[in-house]
Amino acid sequence: DAGVTQSPTHLIKTRGQHVTLRCSPISGHKSVSWYQQVLGQGPQFIFQYYEKEERGRGNFPDRFSARQFPNYSSELNVNALLLGDSALYLCASSFQGPTNQPQHFGDGTRLSIL
Amino acid sequence: GESVGLHLPTLSVQEGDNSIINCAYSNSASDYFIWYKQESGKGPQFIIDIRSNMDKRQGQRVTVLLNKTVKHLSLQIAATQPGDSAVYFCAENSGGSNYKLTFGKGTLLTVNP
Repeated sequence: DAGVTQSPTHLIKTRGQHVTLRCSPISGHKSVSWYQQVLGQGPQFIFQYYEKEERGRGNFPDRFSARQFPNYSSELNVNALLLGDSALYLCASSFQGPTNQPQHFGDGTRLSIL
Repeated sequence: GESVGLHLPTLSVQEGDNSIINCAYSNSASDYFIWYKQESGKGPQFIIDIRSNMDKRQGQRVTVLLNKTVKHLSLQIAATQPGDSAVYFCAENSGGSNYKLTFGKGTLLTVNP
């Protein structure tokens, strides 16, 4: 079975540009979350979407936005890129049930800002 | 504020030994905990989880212990192998909403042959 897939795997942008990152969840998973991981640190929560609705947002500026499509795939958009946005962007999916279920991660998109 | 931290940033063990990775959490409302393994160039890989109504859970070669009294979590890896070398993160979820995981900084486990 395919796991969480993310594209592209690597991306290089310059300051001020915008970027769109894509994620396909595990089949049957309706919940998608996005995380930012700076080198040497643990992932930081950005967004969660479930059934195309935003369920939660972390402490990130409005330059960060996301959406979820009817097939449960998701996009993360970042506008007006800053050098500090350089990071690994991780997508995780989970099965939403009556009890907590683990989030499963993709291998991420490595974003470098020049 | 909420935080998840690790006592040891690095751990070096001999192949075949048992490894113990520790984690402290500060949010007493957290009700779900997960251990992840992250290898270089990859995303975090789910290892094992535990809910707050349990104090121990075992998987294949791994055991997670939860001590809610002192807000402490540990991951035990039996017969550590070179393939276990990676960064290990504990993560907590609070409020039962299952959307926001709070991660610690991670522990780098190195297994010497």
